[in-house]
Amino acid sequence: EAQVTQNPRYLITVTGKKLTVTCSQNMNHEYMSWYRQDPGLGLRQIYYSMNVEVTDKGDVPEGYKVSRKEKRNFPLILESPSPNQTSLYFCASSLIQGINQPQHFGDGTRLSIL
Amino acid sequence: ILNVEQSPQSLHVQEGDSTNFTCSFPSSNFYALHWYRWETAKSPEALFVMTLNGDEKKKGRISATLNTKEGYSYLYIKGSQPEDSATYLCAFNSGAGSYQLTFGKGTKLSVIP
Repeated sequence: EAQVTQNPRYLITVTGKKLTVTCSQNMNHEYMSWYRQDPGLGLRQIYYSMNVEVTDKGDVPEGYKVSRKEKRNFPLILESPSPNQTSLYFCASSLIQGINQPQHFGDGTRLSIL
Repeated sequence: ILNVEQSPQSLHVQEGDSTNFTCSFPSSNFYALHWYRWETAKSPEALFVMTLNGDEKKKGRISATLNTKEGYSYLYIKGSQPEDSATYLCAFNSGAGSYQLTFGKGTKLSVIP
């Protein structure tokens, strides 16, 4: 089954404790992206990647890192999480590098930073 | 940060009514406009990706139009059903070397049986 898989689905952690949210897709998609969703603000793009070893900042990259060492994986790294990063996070992927293809979303990861 | 506006923010309609809502985006540069349907506790699902001025797309009772010159897209739902209740998101890419996708805040539709 074609899908985007995020892990974990839920995480409660404390300020300053490094964490990684994994994202994997099995559709051979070039484009992958991370979004955060906050009430009243909609989906905001954190980082995106057009292919292996190619990443770029979205609208809200501060406090996050990403890597794209393999085509299928695009982990989101919070080196020193803070409470303002408490949010619902979505990973998404799409075919080819152009942004004229629909995004396929994972099920989301709800992070709470205490 | 590009400004993508959706209106209304929310609306309630009776089952069987037809409805429409708007996505506005900068008209100066345009590459693609996406529409997604997002049900509570699920992930967004793609409805349409539109790239050409004047484009019209249809999927069942849902259709969308695109006017890139004036910077807006309409989403129409004909004969709304309770299962249409969801938040509808649009997302815009300006092209010009950017692969960033900017989402609007969405229109939350509630269909009353």
